[in-house]
Amino acid sequence: GENVEQHPSTLSVQEGDSAVIKCTYSDSASNYFPWYKQELGKRPQLIIDIRSNVGEKKDQRIAVTLNKTAKHFSLHITETQPEDSAVYFCAALNSGYSTLTFGKGTMLLVSP
Amino acid sequence: DTEVTQTPKHLVMGMTNKKSLKCEQHMGHRAMYWYKQKAKKPPELMFVYSYEKLSINESVPSRFSPECPNSSLLNLHLHALQPEDSALYLCASSQGTRGDTIYFGEGSWLTVV
Repeated sequence: GENVEQHPSTLSVQEGDSAVIKCTYSDSASNYFPWYKQELGKRPQLIIDIRSNVGEKKDQRIAVTLNKTAKHFSLHITETQPEDSAVYFCAALNSGYSTLTFGKGTMLLVSP
Repeated sequence: DTEVTQTPKHLVMGMTNKKSLKCEQHMGHRAMYWYKQKAKKPPELMFVYSYEKLSINESVPSRFSPECPNSSLLNLHLHALQPEDSALYLCASSQGTRGDTIYFGEGSWLTVV
């Protein structure tokens, strides 16, 4: 089955800095990679996703890049703000079961 | 509208109780899911329903019993739970199960005493 590794487990940045979270996956047939943001006590919310037919996708301050050859994808947040503080999960779609496998999460703390 | 509604938001139950968690979506999605999430961990898949039929059961103990009465509703029946079953239970839905965006409900916080 699919295995997703996510790093780092915690990330502290100053407001205005950029933050990068990286994930690797094992199933070369996986073709869909969403990122979820989960604030304390709330549900995971989809913030951006990418499919394997593109290499990069941007939405305002967030972007995701995908390297299919290396089987890794990354989340980039620019001009971070305190409200970006949350746990971020990457995920990959299992080609066999058509279900998501999540990374272990990254706790992002943005200090004012 | 990308709303998945779950009730109740909080539930405290004893180990001999029978209770149910409910989930509803009106997006016309044909796939619905139950996930379990413990603190500081990612969501873990429990069940997948596709076109109202159970398609995946991730070896979940029988004290958890899912039910899909129709394409908009998904229930999780709980019986004889253990304290370690205390967690956030998340319902989710997607258009299909082939790479479609998965939307999560707010979750039901379950405490077993």
